[in-house]
Amino acid sequence: KAGVTQTPRYLIKTRGQQVTLSCSPISGHRSVSWYQQTPGQGLQFLFEYFSETQRNKGNFPGRFSGRQFSNSRSEMNVSTLELGDSALYLCASSSGTLTPLQAFFGQGTRLTVV
Amino acid sequence: GQQLNQSPQSMFIQEGEDVSMNCTSSSIFNTWLWYKQEPGEGPVLLIALYKAGELTSNGRLTAQFGITRKDSFLNISASIPSDVGIYFCAGQKGGSQGNLIFGKGTKLSVKP
Repeated sequence: KAGVTQTPRYLIKTRGQQVTLSCSPISGHRSVSWYQQTPGQGLQFLFEYFSETQRNKGNFPGRFSGRQFSNSRSEMNVSTLELGDSALYLCASSSGTLTPLQAFFGQGTRLTVV
Repeated sequence: GQQLNQSPQSMFIQEGEDVSMNCTSSSIFNTWLWYKQEPGEGPVLLIALYKAGELTSNGRLTAQFGITRKDSFLNISASIPSDVGIYFCAGQKGGSQGNLIFGKGTKLSVKP
């Protein structure tokens, strides 16, 4: 079974630009969650998508948005990039319906804002 | 955002030693997950715990779900150099399937 795939692995963007990150979950999984990882704040939950609908949302500004497609692939968009948005962005895949929960992470996208 | 209290922050141990780390929270969790992350990679799920008092092993790793549902610990026995990495605990509250709350991690260094 293929794991969680995130693309691209690395990105360098300029302040003010926008960026789109992609996540393909494990086949059969319908939930995709996004996390931001920084040395200072650790892993912070951004949002979760399940069956093309945002189901949970963390405490991030509206510049961070996402969507999910009918094949469960998800994209995350950050507009008007700030230097503080530099981080490792991770997505996690889970069935979304089964308990108990098991969430599997991709390798992440390393975003650097200059 | 909310985070779990994970300790210790870092550990420097000799190969062959046992390791213990824990996570505590003021809130009750339904699920505890333990992950290991190596540089440049995403976290890898090691152990999942679902019931208060549950003790689960995965090779040399053993984790327990605290009776109060507010804490969990992870033990690594007979450490080896490839155990090096950052270990994270993550908790899930009821009704928030995709929303994991993470500890800040325990960085483990193993001296051969």
